[in-house]
Amino acid sequence: EAQVTQNPRYLITVTGKKLTVTCSQNMNHEYMSWYRQDPGLGLRQIYYSMNVEVTDKGDVPEGYKVSRKEKRNFPLILESPSPNQTSLYFCASSFAGFDGYTFGSGTRLTVV
Amino acid sequence: AQTVTQSQPEMSVQEAETVTLSCTYDTSENNYYLFWYKQPPSRQMILVIRQEAYKQQNATENRFSVNFQKAAKSFSLKISDSQLGDTAMYFCAFMKGRGAQKLVFGQGTRLTINP
Repeated sequence: EAQVTQNPRYLITVTGKKLTVTCSQNMNHEYMSWYRQDPGLGLRQIYYSMNVEVTDKGDVPEGYKVSRKEKRNFPLILESPSPNQTSLYFCASSFAGFDGYTFGSGTRLTVV
Repeated sequence: AQTVTQSQPEMSVQEAETVTLSCTYDTSENNYYLFWYKQPPSRQMILVIRQEAYKQQNATENRFSVNFQKAAKSFSLKISDSQLGDTAMYFCAFMKGRGAQKLVFGQGTRLTINP
């Protein structure tokens, strides 16, 4: 089944403790993105990648890092999480971007 | 910068009725793409329908259709014969041109279908 797999689905952590949210797609897609969803704001792009070793900032990159060492994987790293990073996070991938993105099932992150 | 506005935070209709969700956007681009995504309580984001700005014909996917008014920068979603499973948050999204890799989302409309 073609899909984007995110883990974990839920995560509660403490301020300052480094964490990684994993993302993997099995569709051989070139393009991958991370978004965060907050009430009343819709989804906002954090980072995106157009190919292996090619990443760039989205609209809200502060406090986040990404890497794209393999085509299928695009992990999101929070080096020192803070409470304002409490949010619902989505990874998404696409063959060409304009054809539409396939989203993962989301990661609910709470930073206390 | 592009912006997307969904002016209806919540809507509620009876099963089998037709409902239209509104979306307007602001851009100076001529070539772009528009999308509607559905987010049911499971929180999965599901692509419902997409429209290419250079195509005048409105996109249709089964019970879902759009009314794309390029001059007015309007992109509404019509759901015909609504079903209980249509209950979800609906997000309108904009993508600038073929080379762009960012979806700009609206704030969302929470749609409830009542039995």
